[in-house]
Amino acid sequence: DAGITQSPRHKVTETGTPVTLRCHQTENHRYMYWYRQDPGHGLRLIHYSYGVKDTDKGEVSDGYSVSRSKTEDFLLTLESATSSQTSVYFCANGDSNQPQHFGDGTRLSIL
Amino acid sequence: AQTVTQSQPEMSVQEAETVTLSCTYDTSENNYYLFWYKQPPSRQMILVIRQEAYKQQNATENRFSVNFQKAAKSFSLKISDSQLGDTAMYFCAFMKPSFTSGTYKYIFGTGTRLKVLA
Repeated sequence: DAGITQSPRHKVTETGTPVTLRCHQTENHRYMYWYRQDPGHGLRLIHYSYGVKDTDKGEVSDGYSVSRSKTEDFLLTLESATSSQTSVYFCANGDSNQPQHFGDGTRLSIL
Repeated sequence: AQTVTQSQPEMSVQEAETVTLSCTYDTSENNYYLFWYKQPPSRQMILVIRQEAYKQQNATENRFSVNFQKAAKSFSLKISDSQLGDTAMYFCAFMKPSFTSGTYKYIFGTGTRLKVLA
């Protein structure tokens, strides 16, 4: 058990609304990641964090922002949701060269 | 930029048989790590096996083993004695540590959907 909790597990919202997904870890891992999973694309990195208040962009960061004010929490925000952001979102954590461990995912539908 | 390719979108295997899932990657680096993750219908991402590029010996975890060919940039997963519970999507992943920036970013393949038939 990697101790990662994502909330909510499911969310349906409308285009143009702000959405925040939360990732909480019970360990003290330095690195945390947000991915999106879409058919035919595997997992693509949105943003990652390498410490409190230290974040950087991944390959599909447009339209997303993140914040990490505490070691245990990593938030992903869609400022104005679009239908193209309908996806399954995964949070992961890890330390140095150890394998990542994942949360159970959030299914987000934007109508 | 590194890329990871899984050329088999779907595969099936009879229960108790052996199946091999392929993965190739492209990198100019010498120090990196490779992983296989399993995603069953429950949607969880579960680590199956890990390989360090500097190790010549192929990693093994019970019924799961890899064939790591560094020169060919190939990292295939062999599942022996397939079980119904092995039915899942399998993702190959590449990670290269960046010691200058202190970051560890992963690149995933598009996945292979494996179905084990009774």
